[in-house]
Amino acid sequence: GAGVSQSPRYKVAKRGQDVALRCDPISGHVSLFWYQQALGQGPEFLTYFQNEAQLDKSGLPSDRFFAERPEGSVSTLKIQRTQQEDSAVYLCASSSDPSTDTQYFGPGTRLTVL
Amino acid sequence: AQSVAQPEDQVNVAEGNPLTVKCTYSVSGNPYLFWYVQYPNRGLQFLLKYITGDNLVKGSYGFEAEFNKSQTSFHLKKPSALVSDSALYFCAVRDKSGGSYIPTFGRGTSLIVHP
Repeated sequence: GAGVSQSPRYKVAKRGQDVALRCDPISGHVSLFWYQQALGQGPEFLTYFQNEAQLDKSGLPSDRFFAERPEGSVSTLKIQRTQQEDSAVYLCASSSDPSTDTQYFGPGTRLTVL
Repeated sequence: AQSVAQPEDQVNVAEGNPLTVKCTYSVSGNPYLFWYVQYPNRGLQFLLKYITGDNLVKGSYGFEAEFNKSQTSFHLKKPSALVSDSALYFCAVRDKSGGSYIPTFGRGTSLIVHP
């Protein structure tokens, strides 16, 4: 079946612009995670949804970052007033059972803020 | 708190030789442990996981890992490396007892397999 998809794959933004990154999880997966991966680093947790409920947003670096999953499937990560330090790859992952199951990752969106 | 360390930024091995990529972890309770592989411009792909049971876990593409509780390690191994195994490898840990579903990833180890 189809895996996790993300769009756009690449995004270039001028500093101060708002961006929206989309994640389509595997159909039926209850849990959805967003991560930020800086160059040469491992993924860093941003936020976690179970269905439409955002259960953990402790990793969001500032109030410029906002995520939603209104119908419990597609999720959008929005970054307002982008800064150069926001440049990174943003990864989305989904799983059917977060307690023991594997997270399946999308290809990521590479955001470059100029 | 939970953490994971991958002490080697890069591992070099000749094709056909055995490979080991090291991972150590720290959790308050018992761990769930995972290995993922990342190819250039791709997301992370699941290789294997330890949840409970046998300490030796077998995964995709001939990889295996051994859970060692006394040494708090979960090293990734393969008996015979292929050039196509060259990629970035990430170890991750989650504390079973913490009540959180959030894993912590290591910084990654670049595996280079020479022909």
